[in-house]
Amino acid sequence: EVQLVESGGGLVQPGRSLKLSCLASGFTFSNYGMNWIRQAPGKGLEWVASISSSSSYIYYADTVKGRFTISRDNAKNTLYLQMTSLRSEDTALYYCARRGFAYWGQGTLVTVSS
Amino acid sequence: DVVMTQTPPSLSVAIGQSVSISCKSSQSLVYSDGKTYLHWLLQSPGQSPKLLIYQVSNLGSGVPDRFSGTGSQKDFTLKISRVEAEDLGVYYCVQATHFPWTFGGGTKLELK
Repeated sequence: EVQLVESGGGLVQPGRSLKLSCLASGFTFSNYGMNWIRQAPGKGLEWVASISSSSSYIYYADTVKGRFTISRDNAKNTLYLQMTSLRSEDTALYYCARRGFAYWGQGTLVTVSS
Repeated sequence: DVVMTQTPPSLSVAIGQSVSISCKSSQSLVYSDGKTYLHWLLQSPGQSPKLLIYQVSNLGSGVPDRFSGTGSQKDFTLKISRVEAEDLGVYYCVQATHFPWTFGGGTKLELK
């Protein structure tokens, strides 16, 4: 069974950093591109970043470019999102999703507030 | 960026009724490989999104055939035949042809 389990969310002050993780199981992680998608409270879905299976290709939304870094460790079956210079508008539930959107985690909540 | 215009923003339907949701993109979603990366998701209340339809018209795993997707280029439709109570939630279209990937604004399906 495919599982994606996000962690690392929490309450953080504006300007600070946070690193999210997504532990994958039930499939060959190194064969799939992965994505981070977020949802602000009461709002729709927003794509954040994507990384190819071997990390050769990485893409970011303009809203996070230069502040967020997506990465992966295929030996650990784990996807990461390093978030720096956090803003209140980054407050959201952050999901990891496998390429093709067929599998999503349950999300981890990031709240940016003083 | 590709703008995804999804309509209507909300629907109130009776059990057994059929409904359609439209999704129009600001540019063609045909990728260089000839495929169209337009997908439909359902987010049930309190849940993570679930893939319903991928690449315009292909049913996701375990998705009942009451759901169907049609369309091409810039104009796409999700149809739900014989709505059931479990179908309530917010439906999103998403294009994964052009970076940045973009979502429609969502259609909230409510039961009468």
